Amino acid sequence: GNSVTQMEGPVTLSEEAFLTINCTYTATGYPSLFWYVQYPGEGLQLLLKATKADDKGSNKGFEATYRKESTSFHLEKGSVQVSDSAVYFCALSEGGGADGLTFGKGTHLIIQP
Amino acid sequence: EAGVAQSPRYKIIEKRQSVAFWCNPISGHATLYWYQQILGQGPKLLIQFQNNGVVDDSQLPKDRFSAERLKGVDSTLKIQPAKLEDSAVYLCASSPGAKGTQYFGPGTRLTVL
Repeated sequence: GNSVTQMEGPVTLSEEAFLTINCTYTATGYPSLFWYVQYPGEGLQLLLKATKADDKGSNKGFEATYRKESTSFHLEKGSVQVSDSAVYFCALSEGGGADGLTFGKGTHLIIQP
Repeated sequence: EAGVAQSPRYKIIEKRQSVAFWCNPISGHATLYWYQQILGQGPKLLIQFQNNGVVDDSQLPKDRFSAERLKGVDSTLKIQPAKLEDSAVYLCASSPGAKGTQYFGPGTRLTVL
């Protein structure tokens, strides 16, 4: 079956540091890939997505590239802010009619001023 | 635009009792999902509806869980009887259709004592 593995947290960084959160996946077909974010006290919201190999998703300074060869979708940001503190989830969807998401366990990111 | 609404936000019950959760998706969204998120894990898909038909319920524990979306709009998820391991946040999400972005509600936090 499908699965998503992401780096365990918490990840603690100083403001303006470079961020990488690793995500790898296992899927039978050609999935779409997503990063969702959950800010403290808020619901899950889509951060970015990529639907095919070599696509780059980007939003709010975050980027992730769909790497089919390495089955990865690592999240990066060049300079993090305190407001980026949240839990980040990598997810995939096989698409088609049954397009429910398969999530990783989440990575708690803490940015210190 | 109003988001996905869920109620109640919190529920505490004794094991072997029954409980029901309600979800109202974003207006016009044909696809509705229920996810279970156990503490420290990513959400797990329980069931997906397309209008009022079930698309995927392969991970729904059908001996105790049931869900319906009778008129293709609101949905209810029921657990009967509840077990301790059902303690989790139950998330409802909706999307305009296949491969559309999923928008999540705030969730219902269930505690089974």
